[in-house]
Amino acid sequence: GENVEQHPSTLSVQEGDSAVIKCTYSDSASNYFPWYKQELGKRPQLIIDIRSNVGEKKDQRIAVTLNKTAKHFSLHITETQPEDSAVYFCAAQTGANNLFFGTGTRLTVIP
Amino acid sequence: GAVVSQHPSWVICKSGTSVKIECRSLDFQATTMFWYRQFPKQSLMLMATSNEGSKATYEQGVEKDKFLINHASLTLSTLTVTSAHPEDSSFYICSAQDSLYGYTFGSGTRLTVV
Repeated sequence: GENVEQHPSTLSVQEGDSAVIKCTYSDSASNYFPWYKQELGKRPQLIIDIRSNVGEKKDQRIAVTLNKTAKHFSLHITETQPEDSAVYFCAAQTGANNLFFGTGTRLTVIP
Repeated sequence: GAVVSQHPSWVICKSGTSVKIECRSLDFQATTMFWYRQFPKQSLMLMATSNEGSKATYEQGVEKDKFLINHASLTLSTLTVTSAHPEDSSFYICSAQDSLYGYTFGSGTRLTVV
């Protein structure tokens, strides 16, 4: 199946700074790339997604970029706030419609 | 938006017993549902893909006879952990795919086998 790698595993930033999380995928047929935020013991919440026919998408302080040739995509959070602290997962959907997750990034925003 | 209800939210069972987890799509029909397992501080690992009216497709390394999946209707999929052992203790999450809302996750079930 698809192999999704995610870096870094932990990330600490000062409030107001930007945070960037990067993922790579292995299956060139993957066509949908969502990002999830998960708080402890709760379900993942979709925060932004991008499809393979788009290179960049932005929603307020959150943006995602996709490089299909290199098979990597990134999450950018600007003007970080303490409530952004959580675990973030990238994911890739294969042609078979299965969703595979990255290993997660624990983001801590220091007030 | 789409809502997926998962029950129970937590369960404690004795080693050797079986536990059933239900996943329901409340306001849409889900032809396909997915089951994930998440160990503490780890990522969600896809266990199987459940298709209504047909056998589930299991990921490599997942025991079909141990994790029984049934998708009898367009709104309900169940995961039964048979002969549970302490190493099966984990957080299990279902997800349903909807053409409009994409993937919607259940609230998860924390299984503890003692």
